[in-house]
Amino acid sequence: SAVISQKPSRDICQRGTSLTIQCQVDSQVTMMFWYRQQPGQSLTLIATANQGSEATYESGFVIDKFPISRPNLTFSTLTVSNMSPEDSSIYLCSVAKVLPPGEQFFGPGTRLTVL
Amino acid sequence: RKEVEQDPGPFNVPEGATVAFNCTYSNSASQSFFWYRQDCRKEPKLLMSVYSSGNEDGRFTAQLNRASQYISLLIRDSKLSDSATYLCAVILMDSSYKLIFGSGTRLLVRP
Repeated sequence: SAVISQKPSRDICQRGTSLTIQCQVDSQVTMMFWYRQQPGQSLTLIATANQGSEATYESGFVIDKFPISRPNLTFSTLTVSNMSPEDSSIYLCSVAKVLPPGEQFFGPGTRLTVL
Repeated sequence: RKEVEQDPGPFNVPEGATVAFNCTYSNSASQSFFWYRQDCRKEPKLLMSVYSSGNEDGRFTAQLNRASQYISLLIRDSKLSDSATYLCAVILMDSSYKLIFGSGTRLLVRP
């Protein structure tokens, strides 16, 4: 499995501000993803981070709110823009190396609280 | 209907018990299946992949039933350390790769 780090590990932010979360992998990976896990809930896929092109967003998530970059095969960022308390959640980066069967591995997550 | 469904539990069992979780999926085109374990305030960790022929890893056995569209996880001889939330996950390959999670089943193993 890959070693995945995320920064920051947690943050408390004021509403209306933006936060950029970084995800670094120790080896080149084919696919990178961003998930959200709200308190007491399961994981929801936000988007697939595509290297060198625009991310592919899931229903209910838009680029203006969650811009994503992936400049190379080991790094990606997710920005949570114009935050509101409803954005309080854990944001997780994950990677998948080989398909099939496509096992995914997760970073430690970023715990975001919006006041 | 949710794409992946699980009984949220909690399942409260004594040490040494055998416990089984089921997970159903709605899309017959689903291709790969997994069980993840998530401890409180931690990221999900891959427990095992689920193969068509079934697979076993120590006290854990996973099975896939494509006809009925469900996967199962059996834990034998439960340990206190098995207490966690168990998430099933399914890969959908429609226009792109997508790993979809169930809501998770919480297991509490008591002394």
